[in-house]
Amino acid sequence: DVKVTQSSRYLVKRTGEKVFLECVQDMDHENMFWYRQDPGLGLRLIYFSYDVKMKEKGDIPEGYSVSREKKERFSLILESASTNQTSMYLCASSLSGALNQPQHFGDGTRLSIL
Amino acid sequence: AQSVTQLGSHVSVSEGALVLLRCNYSSSVPPYLFWYVQYPNQGLQLLLKYTTGATLVKGINGFEAEFKKSETSFHLTKPSAHMSDAAEYFCAVSGSGGGYNKLIFGAGTRLAVHP
Repeated sequence: DVKVTQSSRYLVKRTGEKVFLECVQDMDHENMFWYRQDPGLGLRLIYFSYDVKMKEKGDIPEGYSVSREKKERFSLILESASTNQTSMYLCASSLSGALNQPQHFGDGTRLSIL
Repeated sequence: AQSVTQLGSHVSVSEGALVLLRCNYSSSVPPYLFWYVQYPNQGLQLLLKYTTGATLVKGINGFEAEFKKSETSFHLTKPSAHMSDAAEYFCAVSGSGGGYNKLIFGAGTRLAVHP
């Protein structure tokens, strides 16, 4: 079974802090994704990566950046956290970018910005 | 652009009753369709997927979904609800992500099952 591990289940940070969310997958997957989940809005794609050091913006990249230095690890960075970034963040991975490939999700990080 | 609409943000059924969760999609290319389930405080788990071939797709936990191109629908059903089915369900579509399997999700339907 694919295992996608997010480093923290719950995180509390202050406005203006630089925040790092970490995600690791153990199945040598090519693609990795970061989403945020808000009630009534479903999941919205922030960034994704299709290879080491390669990244593409998703639908809501503003205020975020990402890093993929190793294939198994994909980090989401909030450069200067703001209260409107309080949300559930979900990481996912897929074997390849083929359109029929499902994504496999971690358990999420619930981030609160005070 | 692709989009997904899930009709009904909340659905409530009795244990043993039919579960029907509705999903309609919009896509200018042949879609690939997915249903995911999210239990409280967990990530999303794949229930089933439609890629090509048979339009009736069977998934885990007794769920199935039928792809109807003429109706642009991919509704999720289960003949008999169980208490453990209480969760949030998401329909998603991929197919036009510039060659990548980007998913567009619906807003989700929360299923409640009462005794």
